[in-house]
Amino acid sequence: DAGVIQSPRHEVTEMGQEVTLRCKPISGHDYLFWYRQTMMRGLELLIYFNNNVPIDDSGMPEDRFSAKMPNASFSTLKIQPSEPRDSAVYFCASSLAGPNQPQHFGDGTRLSIL
Amino acid sequence: AQKVTQAQTEISVVEKEDVTLDCVYETRDTTYYLFWYKQPPSGELVFLIRRNSFDEQNEISGRYSWNFQKSTSSFNFTITASQVVDSAVYFCALTPGGSTLGRLYFGRGTQLTVWP
Repeated sequence: DAGVIQSPRHEVTEMGQEVTLRCKPISGHDYLFWYRQTMMRGLELLIYFNNNVPIDDSGMPEDRFSAKMPNASFSTLKIQPSEPRDSAVYFCASSLAGPNQPQHFGDGTRLSIL
Repeated sequence: AQKVTQAQTEISVVEKEDVTLDCVYETRDTTYYLFWYKQPPSGELVFLIRRNSFDEQNEISGRYSWNFQKSTSSFNFTITASQVVDSAVYFCALTPGGSTLGRLYFGRGTQLTVWP
């Protein structure tokens, strides 16, 4: 079984540029989560979807961040315009329905904003 | 409110030593689920174990064992005869069972370094 697939693995771009991170969840999973990991704040949940519908985006830091899930097999996290403080590792995870279901994580995208 | 505390920021041991990673949680839910994840130097997050609040039986999987104690709200993780490959950041996490949404609340993680 293929796991959660994220792209790109690494992204380096200049401040002010638009950044798009992509995620393909595990087939059949109902939930998709976007996290950000930094040394200062640890793992933060940004937003999650259930059956392609955003459920809770309270973790999205500001209006510069947006996420979409146009279908069950694809999601994007966009930052526009990007800032140096957005530098972090961004993880996508997916899971089956139910609080007892483990989330399965992608390998992450290491984002550096210069 | 949900909270997971991993008080040990970093632990260093020498290979073959046993090591215990502590996890203390807070929740008002009577049903909840606890998880451990491993993040090796390569960066991915790997699911290790899930435990529900009704099952206090300890679990052993090879060199790994987990001790769940509701009385102290703890879910500790022990590695027996540690190996260099165990070096990683280990995260404890909680999901309240009152919701079907499966939101995970993570601790800050414990960096384990196993020296040869």
